[in-house]
Amino acid sequence: GNSVTQMEGPVTLSEEAFLTINCTYTATGYPSLFWYVQYPGEGLQLLLKATKADDKGSNKGFEATYRKETTSFHLEKGSVQVSDSAVYFCALSDWSTGGFKTIFGAGTRLFVKA
Amino acid sequence: EAGVVQSPRYKIIEKKQPVAFWCNPISGHNTLYWYLQNLGQGPELLIRYENEEAVDDSQLPKDRFSAERLKGVDSTLKIQPAELGDSAVYLCASSSTGNEAFFGQGTRLTVV
Repeated sequence: GNSVTQMEGPVTLSEEAFLTINCTYTATGYPSLFWYVQYPGEGLQLLLKATKADDKGSNKGFEATYRKETTSFHLEKGSVQVSDSAVYFCALSDWSTGGFKTIFGAGTRLFVKA
Repeated sequence: EAGVVQSPRYKIIEKKQPVAFWCNPISGHNTLYWYLQNLGQGPELLIRYENEEAVDDSQLPKDRFSAERLKGVDSTLKIQPAELGDSAVYLCASSSTGNEAFFGQGTRLTVV
């Protein structure tokens, strides 16, 4: 079956550091890929998405490129801020019985220090 | 546009008692998901509806969990009887076909 694997956290960075959170997937079809973010005390919200190979999703300075050859969708940001401290979830959506099914990785917690 | 609405936000019950969670998805979204999120982990799918049909309930512990989505809109997830291990956050999400899922705030269940 489909699965999503992301790097374990927590990741601790200083403000303005470069961020990479690795995500790899296995899928039988041609999934769409997503990064969701969960800020403390809040629900999950979509950060960015890519629907086909070589697409780059971007939002709020974060980027991720859909790499079919390496089955990866790594999240990057050039300069993190304290306000980026949150849990980040990689996810995929693929055709399954009767419709599209979305599954998630375990999440990576990011702490950014001032 | 209103988002996904869940209630209650918090629930504390004694073990062996029943509990129910309610979800109102975004208008027009045909797909509705219930996920379980344990502390420090990612959401795990319990059940997925396409309109009123439960198309994937393979991860739903059917001995104690049940769900319904009457008329293909609102949905209810029930646990009877609850066990200590059911303490978690229960998330509802909805999507239009093939697009990203939108999540509610979740219901935090504590079983004591």
